[in-house]
Amino acid sequence: EPEVTQTPSHQVTQMGQEVILRCVPISNHLYFYWYRQILGQKVEFLVSFYNNEISEKSEIFDDQFSVERPDGSNFTLKIRSTKLEDSAMYFCASMGRGEYGYTFGSGTRLTVV
Amino acid sequence: AQSVTQLDSQVPVFEEAPVELRCNYSSSVSVYLFWYVQYPNQGLQLLLKYLSGSTLVESINGFEAEFNKSQTSFHLRKPSVHISDTAEYFCAVRSQGGSEKLVFGKGTKLTVNP
Repeated sequence: EPEVTQTPSHQVTQMGQEVILRCVPISNHLYFYWYRQILGQKVEFLVSFYNNEISEKSEIFDDQFSVERPDGSNFTLKIRSTKLEDSAMYFCASMGRGEYGYTFGSGTRLTVV
Repeated sequence: AQSVTQLDSQVPVFEEAPVELRCNYSSSVSVYLFWYVQYPNQGLQLLLKYLSGSTLVESINGFEAEFNKSQTSFHLRKPSVHISDTAEYFCAVRSQGGSEKLVFGKGTKLTVNP
């Protein structure tokens, strides 16, 4: 069964450093998403991406965040200057045309120290 | 805007017992409803979804959920659970049309004991 692949599974970074979280969505999917889950809290929407541009973003997704689909297969989330409160599990997801439910990756656990 | 409430953060049950995981939602527009499951150290997997039509939807592993519009609920049930059902279960909604974003509940951790 097709999968969404996320790397790395766990990343530790120092406060103020830039991080890039990587995702390979399912190959024929057209809609891409990032969500995050801070420990003990709800899974929260960050951003959706379609046709090479952001289609929707939450208030969490401020200027420190950016997304890119650099080569037609990868989908990345960049955090420019990490803060302690960015520590969370980050999930990538994708969806095909005509579908209603996403396929999620296994997540990247980001720890900012 | 939508919100989802999962009243039970943890549900312990014995193997072969029935279980119900509760989900209530609030929305000013019509929604699609989903249950996702997260097994330890894995991602979120779609368990079942309600889009339209019959209000009772079933998964391949014996779970079912019933959409109740008047009570704005989408409770998940299984008549007899297995130890392998131990996982965290998330209820989510998405508006029909417009935004594609999923709004999640806080999750219910189901622990099945022998």
